[in-house]
Amino acid sequence: DSGVTQTPKHLITATGQRVTLRCSPRSGDLSVYWYQQSLDQGLQFLIQYYNGEERAKGNILERFSAQQFPDLHSELNLSSLELGDSALYFCASSADRGGMNTEAFFGQGTRLTVV
Amino acid sequence: AQSVTQLDSQVPVFEEAPVELRCNYSSSVSVYLFWYVQYPNQGLQLLLKYLSGSTLVKGINGFEAEFNKSQTSFHLRKPSVHISDTAEYFCAVSPSNFNKFYFGSGTKLNVKP
Repeated sequence: DSGVTQTPKHLITATGQRVTLRCSPRSGDLSVYWYQQSLDQGLQFLIQYYNGEERAKGNILERFSAQQFPDLHSELNLSSLELGDSALYFCASSADRGGMNTEAFFGQGTRLTVV
Repeated sequence: AQSVTQLDSQVPVFEEAPVELRCNYSSSVSVYLFWYVQYPNQGLQLLLKYLSGSTLVKGINGFEAEFNKSQTSFHLRKPSVHISDTAEYFCAVSPSNFNKFYFGSGTKLNVKP
C-alpha cells in the first residue's frame, strides 16, 4: 500500500459527460501529480500541484482541469468526454519538502471507460 | 529539459536467466533516477532509486541498477528472473533541484517458464 488513495477505481460514462477523479496523497506529501496511461500513448504527465498551487503542466487537454484543496487532496475534472479519453488515470504524491527531492508514490489508478 | 528513452518495448526471457532493461536519459542539469514496476491492473511501485553516492543501487526483489554518468544511462539488471517478475518496468528521472518526474515509455518484461 503506497498510502495514495484514488477513487473511484472504475468509472464508465458516456461521451460528452463530465467526471471527477479524486486523489488523497500520502499523509504530509505536498506535491500531487496526475498521469494518464493509455495503450497507445504510454504514461503521460498531465499536471502537478504543490501545496495548493499549480506547479507544472504537461499534456493536459483544455477539457481537463485539476485543483488541490487546502487539505491537500486533489481532483481531476474531465469534461466533454470522448472515446479517446478512456484510460487509466494515476495520481502520485511526493513529500517535496525543504528542497529535498524524493520519489513519487502512486495510487492504484482510476480506470475510465467512455462509451 | 529532460527526457528518458527505454530502448526495448518488450523483453522476453526464460525463467532463471539474467536480464537487463536499458534506460538512457538526457538532461541539462543533474538528476535523480528511478525504476518503477507496474504489475497488471496495479499502480507503479518503486523498485529502486539513485540520488547520490554509490553508482550501483540495489532495490527490492533482487533488482539492481547502475548509474553511468558519462553514458547517461541507468540500466536495470537481475541475475536470475522469476515468473513473478513479469510486469512493465518504467525508468524515470527528476531534476535534482525540482520535483518533477519524467517517465520512459516502459519495457514489458515477459518471463517464460
